[in-house]
Amino acid sequence: DAGVIQSPRHEVTEMGQEVTLRCKPISGHNSLFWYRQTMMRGLELLIYFNNNVPIDDSGMPEDRFSAKMPNASFSTLKIQPSEPRDSAVYFCASKRTGKSYEQYFGPGTRLTVT
Amino acid sequence: ELKVEQNPLFLSMQEGKNYTIYCNYSTTSDRLYWYRQDPGKSLESLFVLLSNGAVKQEGRLMASLDTKARLSTLHITAAVHDLSATYFCAVDIRGGADGLTFGKGTHLIIQP
Repeated sequence: DAGVIQSPRHEVTEMGQEVTLRCKPISGHNSLFWYRQTMMRGLELLIYFNNNVPIDDSGMPEDRFSAKMPNASFSTLKIQPSEPRDSAVYFCASKRTGKSYEQYFGPGTRLTVT
Repeated sequence: ELKVEQNPLFLSMQEGKNYTIYCNYSTTSDRLYWYRQDPGKSLESLFVLLSNGAVKQEGRLMASLDTKARLSTLHITAAVHDLSATYFCAVDIRGGADGLTFGKGTHLIIQP
C-alpha cells in the first residue's frame, strides 16, 4: 500500500496568493482528517470527513480556509488569501471507520507564506 | 473542551536508563493513541489503547491506560539512541471516527 499521499511536499508562496494542498487517502479508508502543526500551537485538527462528508470543521481557523472531498480518493485544503501566520506543516491522515483503527498520517506539506 | 497534557515536554537521558512519559486528559475516553515523530518527518503510530487497563508493549516501549484516572503512560526500558524522537499522545472521545486531540509532545533525547 502506498500510504497517504500528499502534494506538494513543500510550498512557498507570497501573502495574498491562493494555496491548494492535496491528499489521497489509503484505499479502503473512509475517514479523512486534515491537521496543522506549528511550534506555537502544536498539532491541531482542522476538519475531518467520513464517507466524503465533512463532519466537523470547527477547527478551521478562518473563512480563508476551505476543504473538499469530491470522492473517496481525493481531498483538497485551500487557503485564499494566504497569510504569513498560515505557515505550518499540514498533515492529512486517513483511517477505517471503527474505534480499533488508528489514523495513518501522510508525509505532510510544509507551507511557507512570505 | 478536551485538553491533553503531557509531561515532561523535554527529556534528556542516557542510554540504558528507564523513564516514563505521562499523558493526562480532561474528558472521559477509552481510546488513547501514542505516536512518534522524527525531526522533519510525519507521525508514526506506536500504540492504540482501547480500554481501561490496556497495556501494550513493543520492544523497549510499553504503554498503559487508566481511564478512571484519565492517565496514560509510555515507559521506556533501557533506552537506546534510536528512540530519540518526539512522542505524542492523542485522544478521541466519540466512537473512533473523530479527529484526535494531541498533547504538545515530549521531545526525548537519548545520549550515548
